[in-house]
Amino acid sequence: ELKVEQNPLFLSMQEGKNYTIYCNYSTTSDRLYWYRQDPGKSLESLFVLLSNGAVKQEGRLMASLDTKARLSTLHITAAVHDLSATYFCAVEGGADGLTFGKGTHLIIQP
Amino acid sequence: EAGVAQSPRYKIIEKRQSVAFWCNPISGHATLYWYQQILGQGPKLLIQFQNNGVVDDSQLPKDRFSAERLKGVDSTLKIQPAKLEDSAVYLCASSLIAGVLFRANYEQYFGPGTRLTVT
Repeated sequence: ELKVEQNPLFLSMQEGKNYTIYCNYSTTSDRLYWYRQDPGKSLESLFVLLSNGAVKQEGRLMASLDTKARLSTLHITAAVHDLSATYFCAVEGGADGLTFGKGTHLIIQP
Repeated sequence: EAGVAQSPRYKIIEKRQSVAFWCNPISGHATLYWYQQILGQGPKLLIQFQNNGVVDDSQLPKDRFSAERLKGVDSTLKIQPAKLEDSAVYLCASSLIAGVLFRANYEQYFGPGTRLTVT
């Protein structure tokens, strides 16, 4: 059974600081997704990582994938309040359905 | 391009009652997914359709949950009878196509969800 673990689950940080969210998964997969979810809202796709060594950046967020270590990271640079949300990583499981982590609840304080 | 549509947005029912949710995927998307998201957790896949056929329903509690996708477009998810632990947000997602040969078009797009409260 595919398991996806994120850490930390809760993160409170100050504006302007850098931090990294980690996503480990238990079985081989070469496709990993990062989503953002605001309270009461649906999931917004941030990044799709398709191969080992893939790195993608959008604004203050950068995601990377190491398939050999079964690890993905989401790095936040110089955080701003607007990035406060819950971030999920998801890995492709059987038959293309996604297995999600529990999410990282991120609060960025002024 | 219109997104994934779901209705209702909110539903409150008593335990042992029945409820149905509706999803209209993005036009042209062959693959449709239903996920259950319990408060504080990540979404869990319940069922996946490719056109009007079921690809994966291994995590669907079939004693009380059912889903159909007639004509390969809209889909309904039903719970009968509901239990307290079914309180969750039910998310519908669609993708252009899925499968090993077409993986480049795999990305899933999520609807706004239906928040179900069972009392």
